[in-house]
Amino acid sequence: NSKVIQTPRYLVKGQGQKAKMRCIPEKGHPVVFWYQQNKNNEFKFLINFQNQEVLQQIDMTEKRFSAECPSNSPCSLEIQSSEAGDSALYLCASSLFRTGGDERLFFGHGTKLSVL
Amino acid sequence: GDSVTQKQGQVTLSEDDFLFINCTYSTTTYPTLLWYVQYPGQGPQLLLKVTTANNKGISRGFEATYDKGTTSFHLQKASVQESDSAVYFCALSNTGYQNFYFGKGTSLTVIP
Repeated sequence: NSKVIQTPRYLVKGQGQKAKMRCIPEKGHPVVFWYQQNKNNEFKFLINFQNQEVLQQIDMTEKRFSAECPSNSPCSLEIQSSEAGDSALYLCASSLFRTGGDERLFFGHGTKLSVL
Repeated sequence: GDSVTQKQGQVTLSEDDFLFINCTYSTTTYPTLLWYVQYPGQGPQLLLKVTTANNKGISRGFEATYDKGTTSFHLQKASVQESDSAVYFCALSNTGYQNFYFGKGTSLTVIP
């Protein structure tokens, strides 16, 4: 069973609406990734954090997408104004990456977003 | 930049058949190569990890090998079962660039 907890499992929004999803990384993992997986199973990297700081993010994330990983709270990914093309499975993953020499990535079950 | 290529989009096998999935990669540093499996309605699960140090990984009957000369890595299983039906992804992790790169996935269907 996954130790990365993502909520909600399913999210349905209308175009232009905000969509927010949350992630609790595995305990002790300081690095968190967000990926978008489309219906063709392709992964698109969105953003990653080490503790509360952004390590990398793509241009798309900088415009309509916002994300944070506050101390002692779940990480979150929010789409300010949903578009039909945002419909996808949003995967959160955590890792010890860079800190303990363990480069494995552990995923949650994902949040499936449908934008109508 | 770093990349992974996984060309086999769909594979259909019968139970007890041999499975072989191949990925090629490109990187300028020492990679860690991983295989993930994703069942319907779930997130990907780590199946195997192979590094330049060990060249091979074994888990749940699956074996992953790595060939630096051809910059390729493979996933194989001697005898697949219906329960192995899932999507398999290869991935490359490059510590220097702090990111992971995924192949497009191979959808395996095992017919009983």
